[in-house]
Amino acid sequence: DTEVTQTPKHLVMGMTNKKSLKCEQHMGHRAMYWYKQKAKKPPELMFVYSYEKLSINESVPSRFSPECPNSSLLNLHLHALQPEDSALYLCASSQDRGQGLGYNEQFFGPGTRLTVL
Amino acid sequence: AQSVTQPDIHITVSEGASLELRCNYSYGATPYLFWYVQSPGQGLQLLLKYFSGDTLVQGIKGFEAEFKRSQSSFNLRKPSVHWSDAAEYFCAVVLYNTDKLIFGTGTRLQVFP
Repeated sequence: DTEVTQTPKHLVMGMTNKKSLKCEQHMGHRAMYWYKQKAKKPPELMFVYSYEKLSINESVPSRFSPECPNSSLLNLHLHALQPEDSALYLCASSQDRGQGLGYNEQFFGPGTRLTVL
Repeated sequence: AQSVTQPDIHITVSEGASLELRCNYSYGATPYLFWYVQSPGQGLQLLLKYFSGDTLVQGIKGFEAEFKRSQSSFNLRKPSVHWSDAAEYFCAVVLYNTDKLIFGTGTRLQVFP
């Protein structure tokens, strides 16, 4: 299995709702990422988990709450979002940054299209 | 600060024509360089990457890219474009020993029959 899956594909939520995005990979990767991509813009990194621990938080508002329950799963919990949070949310994974390798390729999922009303 | 520039926001070519998408980076050392493609509403697919060695890199779908240190460039090329190549193309860099990908603003490729 060489893919990253994301559910749901589409999500519409109100500003008072609580919802979650899910990401799963079975490639044995130990680093997982959340990106936000607005229309006609490049992806922007939100969070990085390495060995199930949060290693990078790019100053994301607290209404976005990531969770990595195990090495295959990554969730993004959403609460009290604003309309400007509407975007494509991409998940990615990579092998652990190996000793001396410097960088491991990130594999992206298809994304969840989020609309906040 | 490190950055990636893609000067062309939108490029239109005829099917069968050659293609070159430009990418320039700003970084003190040689970064790791990538080209990704994104079809509408889809995730990103890696076309090719450059870490070191041969400066002409072959990728998937008939794409290649050439790293030119003197010009801080990593341009993507394809000798003959197919209609299915219409998509958004992102150049990206990552700093050595970090997890952080920095993307350019993207180039939208439109292909006419």
